[in-house]
Amino acid sequence: DQQVKQNSPSLSVQEGRISILNCDYTNSMFDYFLWYKKYPAEGPTFLISISSIKDKNEDGRFTVFLNKSAKHLSLHIVPSQPGDSAVYFCAASELRGSRLTFGEGTQLTVNP
Amino acid sequence: DADVTQTPRNRITKTGKRIMLECSQTKGHDRMYWYRQDPGLGLRLIYYSFDVKDINKGEISDGYSVSRQAQAKFSLSLESAIPNQTALYFCATGGARSNEQFFGPGTRLTVL
Repeated sequence: DQQVKQNSPSLSVQEGRISILNCDYTNSMFDYFLWYKKYPAEGPTFLISISSIKDKNEDGRFTVFLNKSAKHLSLHIVPSQPGDSAVYFCAASELRGSRLTFGEGTQLTVNP
Repeated sequence: DADVTQTPRNRITKTGKRIMLECSQTKGHDRMYWYRQDPGLGLRLIYYSFDVKDINKGEISDGYSVSRQAQAKFSLSLESAIPNQTALYFCATGGARSNEQFFGPGTRLTVL
């Protein structure tokens, strides 16, 4: 049972445009959501997070939106840069500090 | 120096061999995790430990065991490796008051 799903295995975007990565979840007990970025031959690194009491969190070029009623979150990257090309994982947890459940990942390619 | 280190970085072994993957962290966190990454399946939790005397099974613990030798060390063992355990393995660490986890660089394991 995949509780966190990223339905798009890949996304290709032109440099300077917006990248939108999507994530859906089924567990209504999830309270915290995170996005991780992973480059080849490296471990995932934390990018941005959001608590269920918010519907938006912004950090520079990165914004995460949460729609609890739809059990959906998205990551917006504006403007996209070639260095953003990586695999992006969505993750969720029920409690602060507890185990994370990850999605399958989306490979983002930003073309110059 | 890296906060989370994993050894070895690459390992090729044969079916039936016993393998140990090691993880050390200098972040002072109590919580440590082992994940495996497979193409199209994202990161799946194998085992996790919230302190030295606490060990918990994750989603896919069959065929694996772990040892928490100290706060900073968490090792993963494959008692009798099989080819479908070929994957990228990541160790991570995190604090009790944050959902952010910090990942090591990964170990690429190939079982022939």
